[in-house]
Amino acid sequence: GAGVSQSPSNKVTEKGKDVELRCDPISGHTALYWYRQRLGQGLEFLIYFQGNSAPDKSGLPSDRFSAERTGESVSTLTIQRTQQEDSAVYLCASSSHMVSSGRSTDTQYFGPGTRLTVL
Amino acid sequence: GQQVMQIPQYQHVQEGEDFTTYCNSSTTLSNIQWYKQRPGGHPVFLIQLVKSGEVKKQKRLTFQFGEAKKNSSLHITATQTTDVGTYFCAGYPSGTYKYIFGTGTRLKVLA
Repeated sequence: GAGVSQSPSNKVTEKGKDVELRCDPISGHTALYWYRQRLGQGLEFLIYFQGNSAPDKSGLPSDRFSAERTGESVSTLTIQRTQQEDSAVYLCASSSHMVSSGRSTDTQYFGPGTRLTVL
Repeated sequence: GQQVMQIPQYQHVQEGEDFTTYCNSSTTLSNIQWYKQRPGGHPVFLIQLVKSGEVKKQKRLTFQFGEAKKNSSLHITATQTTDVGTYFCAGYPSGTYKYIFGTGTRLKVLA
């Protein structure tokens, strides 16, 4: 596609329910990131996928959060037993992530985000 | 842990005034990127700096990477209302494989 897409754009759920958020990266991009952005705040790193390597899950805030990615395509972020503090915009970004001499030389392209509201 | 801080957190300027945001990392960075997020939008890439002391310009925007590769700045000359938004830096610490975003500076331009 032309850019990174995310679905749904908005999700309202009740406390305790599970939610699944989807990200379709730009075709050919090997790297995929999930971030959380609370209202008026910065971007909080959640998880990073790079090709077939083991994902970097160091940013996941609790074991209620998990993410999967099939190869270099779609990724889903799942939040189990949602809490009110999970309310935020969840942003996905992809990049072709060429690593040269130990440093990334690529731009992250962000999707429009999913706004999650937990009542 | 690794942190990237930005100052100021908020800045209100009159249209036509200059604006600067500063980005400071607790660790040495391989490179740094700058993003702009309009209200209600998502971050959009502006520029990447790689070399120590590097300076890049985009029209009214000037970006600088510090000599020690631990800080960076974005300067906007003669702000316009279209400059409104939050500016984030994103540092790529040496030896890691992910970007760490700064806390952001929210710019408001008063006409």
